[in-house]
Amino acid sequence: GAGVSQTPSNKVTEKGKYVELRCDPISGHTALYWYRQSLGQGPEFLIYFQGTGAADDSGLPNDRFFAVRPEGSVSTLKIQRTERGDSAVYLCASSLTGGESGYTFGSGTRLTVV
Amino acid sequence: AQSVTQLGSHVSVSEGALVLLRCNYSSSVPPYLFWYVQYPNQGLQLLLKYTSAATLVKGINGFEAEFKKSETSFHLTKPSAHMSDAAEYFCAVMGGTSYGKLTFGQGTILTVHP
Repeated sequence: GAGVSQTPSNKVTEKGKYVELRCDPISGHTALYWYRQSLGQGPEFLIYFQGTGAADDSGLPNDRFFAVRPEGSVSTLKIQRTERGDSAVYLCASSLTGGESGYTFGSGTRLTVV
Repeated sequence: AQSVTQLGSHVSVSEGALVLLRCNYSSSVPPYLFWYVQYPNQGLQLLLKYTSAATLVKGINGFEAEFKKSETSFHLTKPSAHMSDAAEYFCAVMGGTSYGKLTFGQGTILTVHP
């Protein structure tokens, strides 16, 4: 597609529920990134895929967070047993190679845990 | 480990005045450096990037930034502010063992008043 697409744009869920956030990167971009942005903060790195594999998952805060990219294109970020502290905007980005030319970001998914 | 410090969480200028947004970085290796802009309720857009070529980098919308290794700085400037420049600006660094992963600063909100 023309840009990075993230769905849904907004998600409200109850504490303890499971959520999935989807990212559809630019066609042909091999690298895909997930970031989390809390109010008033800069984006915080979560995980980076090169193709189908996670090249760096050091930013995932705990084992409730998991991400997959099974065919090297669309990625899903999965959050189990959501907590109110998980409320944030989750940003996805993609790049042609390793990101040294800059990423293209999606508009984000605003997750609210009530 | 890398880090980015943006001096001033809020900057206010008059329309037509010089814009100066400060960014200092810490990196153990020559870095890649980026400035992104975020308009309300939108994703991040790449303004410009430094990738070890020319130290003065020109970006979109009349912005430029100068890489100064001795000062570990990458300040963003624009000679004459427009009302449409009002947004939040993020400096970010990538490099070394964290290749592919961007580390962002906290952001600077730019206000432009008539």
